[in-house]
Amino acid sequence: NAGVTQTPKFQVLKTGQSMTLQCAQDMNHNSMYWYRQDPGMGLRLIYYSASEGTTDKGEVPNGYNVSRLNKREFSLRLESAAPSQTSVYFCASRPDRGLNEQFFGPGTRLTVL
Amino acid sequence: AQSVSQHNHHVILSEAASLELGCNYSYGGTVNLFWYVQYPGQHLQLLLKYFSGDPLVKGIKGFEAEFIKSKFSFNLRKPSVQWSDTAEYFCAVIMEYGNKLVFGAGTILRVKS
Repeated sequence: NAGVTQTPKFQVLKTGQSMTLQCAQDMNHNSMYWYRQDPGMGLRLIYYSASEGTTDKGEVPNGYNVSRLNKREFSLRLESAAPSQTSVYFCASRPDRGLNEQFFGPGTRLTVL
Repeated sequence: AQSVSQHNHHVILSEAASLELGCNYSYGGTVNLFWYVQYPGQHLQLLLKYFSGDPLVKGIKGFEAEFIKSKFSFNLRKPSVQWSDTAEYFCAVIMEYGNKLVFGAGTILRVKS
């Protein structure tokens, strides 16, 4: 199993450009998550999806949209990138609402100039 | 809302020193608790977790953590650190049967050889 995969690994955007971060998991997990990691702030939840076809806002959803395309894939879209969105983005998945930990992808380092 | 506090943002230790990283959470109900580690340039990996039972939990690489319900704490310990333990450590909490982890801000540990 590849676990949780993310593409791209690195990306540089100009202010106002758009892009989509891709995430896929092959563990048949129901829940998927997008976090951003900033120095001194830990991981903050952007959006999550408890099951295919459902999405919910997390702590910092402004400026982002998500799509749960199917059970495997959960994408994060920046419609108009801003320098404040410079961060490392992690995707994670979790089997169900039960007592299981989250499994994380390798991250995408995004810089917005 | 739940919150997680990690007391030290930076810790510097010499090899063979003992380690204790503090973690407190704010939720009064039943919780599940986690410690994750992020080695330089890598994604988050689970160190250990507490769901129920013995409040002293042993994880990988000689780490352990003690859940003290009365103090809302879940401190991470290791009797003798190694240079390879240099990493950032995150405490996280989730309500029982919840589906959103809440992370602390992280503690960066540097072990001097």
